[in-house]
Amino acid sequence: AQSVTQLGSHVSVSEGALVLLRCNYSSSVPPYLFWYVQYPNQGLQLLLKYTSAATLVKGINGFEAEFKKSETSFHLTKPSAHMSDAAEYFCAVLNGYSTLTFGKGTMLLVSP
Amino acid sequence: DVKVTQSSRYLVKRTGEKVFLECVQDMDHENMFWYRQDPGLGLRLIYFSYDVKMKEKGDIPEGYSVSREKKERFSLILESASTNQTSMYLCASSPGRSGANVLTFGAGSRLTVL
Repeated sequence: AQSVTQLGSHVSVSEGALVLLRCNYSSSVPPYLFWYVQYPNQGLQLLLKYTSAATLVKGINGFEAEFKKSETSFHLTKPSAHMSDAAEYFCAVLNGYSTLTFGKGTMLLVSP
Repeated sequence: DVKVTQSSRYLVKRTGEKVFLECVQDMDHENMFWYRQDPGLGLRLIYFSYDVKMKEKGDIPEGYSVSREKKERFSLILESASTNQTSMYLCASSPGRSGANVLTFGAGSRLTVL
């Protein structure tokens, strides 16, 4: 079965700094990968998805992720953090033909 | 916009009670899912359904059952609630059976079992 590992349960950055959230996957087939964000007291919202087209995927709110097969990684980045980016971020891999397996999540803290 | 509505945002139940968590989606999606979210554990799949009256076990089905009598509604049932089922429950739906379907989530139901 496919799986993902998110490195770091908490990441702290200053406003304006680079955001880097790490995700590594394990898959026996070419994976479909996703990043979701969860703001406090809300459900999950899709940020972006990789479906074997372009390896650099752009998402909403200025986020992007790069699929690197050689490193089995799909790290999420944003050049300049905003206070409003503070949330929990989940990496996920398509498992079977419709279910997602999620990582344990990374809480992003943004300080002024 | 696709909307997934979970009827109860917060519930408090007693050990041994039967609990129903209801989820309704309004975009004619084929697939519906129930996940459980716990701090440090991420989301874990409880049950899912690809069609009316069909259900499949996920990774942690023990202590739960589901019902899908209509396409738009997917219910999660705790036959006899226990304190270790205190958690946030998230319902989601997605269209069709092709890969890369995006899951749309409800806002969640936070269940406390005393």
